[in-house]
Amino acid sequence: GIQVEQSPPDLILQEGANSTLRCNFSDSVNNLQWFHQNPWGQLINLFYIPSGTKQNGRLSATTVATERYSLLYISSSQTTDSGVYFCAVMDTGRRALTFGSGTRLQVQP
Amino acid sequence: DTAVSQTPKYLVTQMGNDKSIKCEQNLGHDTMYWYKQDSKKFLKIMFSYNNKELIINETVPNRFSPKSPDKAHLNLHINSLELGDSAVYFCASSLGRGFLDTQYFGPGTRLTVL
Repeated sequence: GIQVEQSPPDLILQEGANSTLRCNFSDSVNNLQWFHQNPWGQLINLFYIPSGTKQNGRLSATTVATERYSLLYISSSQTTDSGVYFCAVMDTGRRALTFGSGTRLQVQP
Repeated sequence: DTAVSQTPKYLVTQMGNDKSIKCEQNLGHDTMYWYKQDSKKFLKIMFSYNNKELIINETVPNRFSPKSPDKAHLNLHINSLELGDSAVYFCASSLGRGFLDTQYFGPGTRLTVL
């Protein structure tokens, strides 16, 4: 099956700093989503982005499908950004998301 | 509120018991899913239903049985619970058959088997 690798596994930032999270995948995808799992465990959909670039406030994401990677940018980080960020993909042969192992982000005041 | 809801939020039980987790979505979606998140936070698909029809059944022990009475509900029944079943179980839904759609997740059910 498709492999999804996220980096870095852990990230500690000071409030106000910027960061880039990366997701590499091993095969063509027709669906890619970024999620934030907050400290209370809720999985919140950030972006549906199988290709191209999207922005939502301080967050933006870019997927280069031909090179099989996606990037999530967090600017001016806040303590509420803390949690685990997951990349999830769906390849053309399946109908369910395959998740990466996540990037654990801690934003310190 | 429009959302994916799950009950209960927490479930603590003894080994060998049978338990159920309920999921409902009022988003008008056609496809629903169950995912399992283990203690290392790894998320994996278990089942998927489209309009009450089972379309994905991963290598899950047959002690786990999903039931979809209608397209707005997907319940998960677990027989003869084992210690290794302890995890957080997430229900999700998507508008179409899932290929090109955003999946929305419920709040999760934390199952602890003692």
